[in-house]
Amino acid sequence: EIVLTQSPATLSLSPGERATLSCRASQSVSSYLAWYQQKPGQAPRLLIYETFNRATAIPTRFSGSGSGTDFTLTISSLEPEDFAVYYCQQGFHWPTFGQGTKVEIK
Amino acid sequence: EVQLAESGGGLIQPGGSLRLSCAASGFTVSSDFMSWVRQAPGKGLEWLSIIYPDGATYYADSVKGRFTISRDTSKNTLHLQMNSLRADDTAVYYCGASDRPNLGDYWGQGTLVTVSS
Repeated sequence: EIVLTQSPATLSLSPGERATLSCRASQSVSSYLAWYQQKPGQAPRLLIYETFNRATAIPTRFSGSGSGTDFTLTISSLEPEDFAVYYCQQGFHWPTFGQGTKVEIK
Repeated sequence: EVQLAESGGGLIQPGGSLRLSCAASGFTVSSDFMSWVRQAPGKGLEWLSIIYPDGATYYADSVKGRFTISRDTSKNTLHLQMNSLRADDTAVYYCGASDRPNLGDYWGQGTLVTVSS
């Protein structure tokens, strides 16, 4: 099983600030890395697939980068609705998720 | 518009069985990669099962031999038959759909399964 480790566990930021979330895989996942956003009581929402492709209707402030084992999700300027938990997920082998990064209001 | 709606969750005793359903609209379940993912209370996400457009099915080790994924094309519905349920199967269960394998573009709102005596 490929283990995904996300850092930091919690990110405390203010609206308008830049958020940088990291995801490290225990072995290469090529470019098959996705990012999801989840708010309390809601289903996950796909943001980014295959490292850098934005899903349908995802704002351009969300961007993804990386390759192999190290990946980053960047939110260029946080909007109030962006405070949530973010999960990375690899699809190179049996799908697995990271443990999540909570982006909270500072 | 793509929509997914899960049903069938509830309280079940350990060792019991439950069948979850996921009604789809806006697309055909047989043409997409359909998945089940769960989230235990206060925990992260776990991918459980996938059915491919060609009918091939795959399972996480944690549910292999106990859970069965299937689809009913006449009703455009995905199912998850869960047998030999344990306390650690307690979770919200989500169905997902994608035109790519091992991905979830769309998700339902989830259905809660509680395994307890």
